[in-house]
Amino acid sequence: KAGVTQTPRYLIKTRGQQVTLSCSPISGHRSVSWYQQTPGQGLQFLFEYFSETQRNKGNFPGRFSGRQFSNSRSEMNVSTLELGDSALYLCASSLYGSGAGNQPQHFGDGTRLSIL
Amino acid sequence: GENVEQHPSTLSVQEGDSAVIKCTYSDSASNYFPWYKQELGKRPQLIIDIRSNVGEKKDQRIAVTLNKTAKHFSLHITETQPEDSAVYFCAASTRGRSGGSNYKLTFGKGTLLTVNP
Repeated sequence: KAGVTQTPRYLIKTRGQQVTLSCSPISGHRSVSWYQQTPGQGLQFLFEYFSETQRNKGNFPGRFSGRQFSNSRSEMNVSTLELGDSALYLCASSLYGSGAGNQPQHFGDGTRLSIL
Repeated sequence: GENVEQHPSTLSVQEGDSAVIKCTYSDSASNYFPWYKQELGKRPQLIIDIRSNVGEKKDQRIAVTLNKTAKHFSLHITETQPEDSAVYFCAASTRGRSGGSNYKLTFGKGTLLTVNP
């Protein structure tokens, strides 16, 4: 099976712009979770989608949003970018998600977002 | 609460020695505890996990122990090799802000393990 695929791998934006990141889960996996990884804070949970519904949300401002499509692919959007949004954004997929059965999560390679 | 504390933040050992990384969690409802290994520039990879109905699990040179009463779990790596050098993250399933049965994974801040040849 192909692993979790994230696009693009690298992105450079300027303050105030918006960005959309994409994640394709492992075939058959229905849950997608998004994380922000920074050197100081480690992996911080953004949100989880399951069957096109946001099932869980972390402590991030409303500028961070996401959605999931019927084929389980997910997108994450960040509006009005700030310098502090520079980070590695990781998505992870699992069969049912940690909301139902606490299944293992499998990560993609991430999108490295740099804000100038 | 949904804190996961991980110690130490850095660990340096000689090849062949053992390495132990410890984590504590605060959510008494946590019932799933995975460990991830992340090499430089790579994705986090699941190396072992344990559920709350089990006290210990072993996979070759890697073992994890869980003490539910004390709310702590540990990763043990024996006979370390240079290729074990990486950042290791522990995680615990924690309830979402609205409680209920929708769990999410909360991660520790990571341990940089260096195995010296």
